[in-house]
Amino acid sequence: SSELTQDPAVSVALGQTVRITCQGDSLRSFYATWYQQKPGQAPVLVMFGKNNRPSGVPDRFSGSSSGNTASLTITGAQAEDEAEYYCNSRDSSGHHVVFGGGTKLTVL
Amino acid sequence: QVQLQESGPGLVKPSQTLSLTCTVSGGSISSGSYYWSWIRQPAGKGLEWIGRIYTSGSTNYTPSLKSRVTISADTSKNQFSLKLSSVTAADTAVYYCARGSWLQESFDSWGQGTLVTVSS
Repeated sequence: SSELTQDPAVSVALGQTVRITCQGDSLRSFYATWYQQKPGQAPVLVMFGKNNRPSGVPDRFSGSSSGNTASLTITGAQAEDEAEYYCNSRDSSGHHVVFGGGTKLTVL
Repeated sequence: QVQLQESGPGLVKPSQTLSLTCTVSGGSISSGSYYWSWIRQPAGKGLEWIGRIYTSGSTNYTPSLKSRVTISADTSKNQFSLKLSSVTAADTAVYYCARGSWLQESFDSWGQGTLVTVSS
């Protein structure tokens, strides 16, 4: 089992706000990073650090963290946001990389 | 814009060694700002980090695969490689190479992925 825990599936109505969470002890010390993966494609970085979006990622994506939980929030979800979302960070030792199990986001 | 491309056999027999190469273009694997990783994804499942190589040549592997994994780099060809020994059907997956950023603590560029099937 992963050291980072994500809800397997989340749904949101078109245009509404959704929060995708990632829990793990290492998140008390390290930031989570978020990736979006659409079927048949490689993951794409969408959020890193405290709340940083790579160039090209819409500003409806934002990140936050509290205690052992990191969150990726999509404000005004669009149909193209339907995808699998993965968080990653370090493991509890701090020396290795781990991924969460992924959250499948459905936009209704 | 850096680009990564995986290459290697798509079919490997059980107990043999899986070997993949990632060719990097648009940037040097010798850049100290980055490290270079392999990540895999079995069909319908999540991402699993395999390991990484730093520009110093030192490596770091996920504990569950450490005894079977070797990652190396050829700076003259701007490539890095993965070897996974004693494979079983459980190693069947899409294998991605990716660039890791020290500053961002993230994988900011990925290859398209290559499917490796372990079967006799």
